[in-house]
Amino acid sequence: DTGVSQDPRHKITKRGQNVTFRCDPISEHNRLYWYRQTLGQGPEFLTYFQNEAQLEKSRLLSDRFSAERPKGSFSTLEIQRTEQGDSAMYLCASSLAPGETEAFFGQGTRLTVV
Amino acid sequence: GENVEQHPSTLSVQEGDSAVIKCTYSDSASNYFPWYKQELGKGPQLIIDIRSNVGEKKDQRIAVTLNKTAKHFSLHITETQPEDSAVYFCAARRDTGRRALTFGSGTRLQVQP
Repeated sequence: DTGVSQDPRHKITKRGQNVTFRCDPISEHNRLYWYRQTLGQGPEFLTYFQNEAQLEKSRLLSDRFSAERPKGSFSTLEIQRTEQGDSAMYLCASSLAPGETEAFFGQGTRLTVV
Repeated sequence: GENVEQHPSTLSVQEGDSAVIKCTYSDSASNYFPWYKQELGKGPQLIIDIRSNVGEKKDQRIAVTLNKTAKHFSLHITETQPEDSAVYFCAARRDTGRRALTFGSGTRLQVQP
């Protein structure tokens, strides 16, 4: 296992299109997080899962955003009707619970909405 | 909610000098404080972390100090090298309730050879 994997690394889409990103966490990790990072800023929390249950969603996660982790392994983040303001780096992280361990981040998916 | 402030936003040092980055947090219930290094086009990489029951932690050239009373923590890098050039983020989190990290806005460190 080489760490958290995200696909694609880059995505360019036209405004109004739907996009979906995938995250494969470290295999034994049961917690999975999605963050968004805009240029020059720190990552901002979007949502997290423990196993397949989505336990928390940020108010940043508008109705156009949906995340799933159907079998408690990989996760997908979908953005519907993309807007230019959605352009950002979308980061996935995973950690192991119980016992608070550090979160490991993937390389991110850079989304550009044109 | 938690708010983390980080200073300075940019820091330039000569190779071999020390670098210090400072963060303050607002939520007194936060008890886990990691530091991440992010290189261009990559995800954040954990470099050191500290919990609230510890005042200082060292790992080779990197150290972190925590003052819970004042709600601030700092990253110290000694004997800086050009490969230390990157953006550094501090973060804070509770171990109960909300599990997400709240990040500072980052410090761009440039080590001049």
